[in-house]
Amino acid sequence: DTEVTQTPKHLVMGMTNKKSLKCEQHMGHRAMYWYKQKAKKPPELMFVYSYEKLSINESVPSRFSPECPNSSLLNLHLHALQPEDSALYLCASSQDPQGYEQYFGPGTRLTVT
Amino acid sequence: KNEVEQSPQNLTAQEGEFITINCSYSVGISALHWLQQHPGGGIVSLFMLSSGKKKHGRLIATINIQEKHSSLHITASHPRDSAVYICAVSDGTRLTFGEGTQLTVNP
Repeated sequence: DTEVTQTPKHLVMGMTNKKSLKCEQHMGHRAMYWYKQKAKKPPELMFVYSYEKLSINESVPSRFSPECPNSSLLNLHLHALQPEDSALYLCASSQDPQGYEQYFGPGTRLTVT
Repeated sequence: KNEVEQSPQNLTAQEGEFITINCSYSVGISALHWLQQHPGGGIVSLFMLSSGKKKHGRLIATINIQEKHSSLHITASHPRDSAVYICAVSDGTRLTFGEGTQLTVNP
């Protein structure tokens, strides 16, 4: 199984809502990543989890809260988002955080109204 | 100046043509990645290179470490190759992405 799954595929939320994005992989990978991608732009790294510990936070606003409950699962909790947070949120995983190939999920298309 | 520069930004080709996308980088790297993104979002890793050349089907990727340059070639292009191709470099910790090349292959 070389797949990274993400749910939901699409999400529309108001600025006062709380929602969560979910990412799962069963490849035994020990590094997991959250990226944000705006239209016609490359992905921007948000967070890296290495062996279930947060290793990189790219100065992401606190309205985005990552969580790694176990080695297969990565969540991104969303609260009080702004319309400019509307984007494609991509999850990825790699065997190890040290420079291995990353496997990307299909993404969650988020719209904040 | 971006650390990773791709050219061209947009490329239109006729089916069957040989295609080359170029990537230059200005930082030290542990590996270079070529990624493909179709409309709708999902990103697929095509190649990870640290030296030389790799081939997979109709796709060929090369890297010249001394010149800090990589190329992605597509032979016998097909409309299904239409996508955004992204070059990314790794320093061992994170990926730095180029802006991508939008490829359209017309039948």
